[in-house]
Amino acid sequence: QKEVEQNSGPLSVPEGAIASLNCTYSDRGSQSFFWYRQYSGKSPELIMSIYSNGDKEDGRFTAQLNKASQYVSLLIRDSQPSDSATYLCAVTGGSYIPTFGRGTSLIVHP
Amino acid sequence: SQTIHQWPATLVQPVGSPLSLECTVEGTSNPNLYWYRQAAGRGLQLLFYSVGIGQISSEVPQNLSASRPQDRQFILSSKKLLLSDSGFYLCAWSVKGQGRSPLHFGNGTRLTVT
Repeated sequence: QKEVEQNSGPLSVPEGAIASLNCTYSDRGSQSFFWYRQYSGKSPELIMSIYSNGDKEDGRFTAQLNKASQYVSLLIRDSQPSDSATYLCAVTGGSYIPTFGRGTSLIVHP
Repeated sequence: SQTIHQWPATLVQPVGSPLSLECTVEGTSNPNLYWYRQAAGRGLQLLFYSVGIGQISSEVPQNLSASRPQDRQFILSSKKLLLSDSGFYLCAWSVKGQGRSPLHFGNGTRLTVT
């Protein structure tokens, strides 16, 4: 059974701070890793993809992957109240069907 | 660019009534298609996926069914809804043959069974 674990939160950070969201996965053969943002009542929206060890930056977002530790994280710099949402981690292994974590709720307070 | 349309946006149905939710994708050919359900406060549950016309795989035994009558059309159905079928239903697509392709979701249908 492939598992993707996320702390459900909520993670509360002040505006302007760095939010750090973490995700661990059980399948060592996993190859592709995705972060989605889901606002309340809305569908998930892809914000980052990462495929190799290290960091990948896109604007205020940085995804970090460590395959040896089976760990992927998402950093949000200069957090804004509009970043308040649930963040879903998704992992794909040999098949094309991703396994989703249950998500971490992020609250950015002014 | 690719777009995915899903309708209706909201639906209230009585227990025992039938269900039909439709999803279409534009701007791509031969995509993988998926139906997910998200119960309130819960994670995403994969219900069905399809790699081609008429090819449906079910992940969870239940009173729902899916069909793919055309390349870019995916339909979720039920003959008789249960209270437990309430939830947020999401259709998604990905590029075929690419394990690196992320899923792209439609706007979802919020179903309330009363």
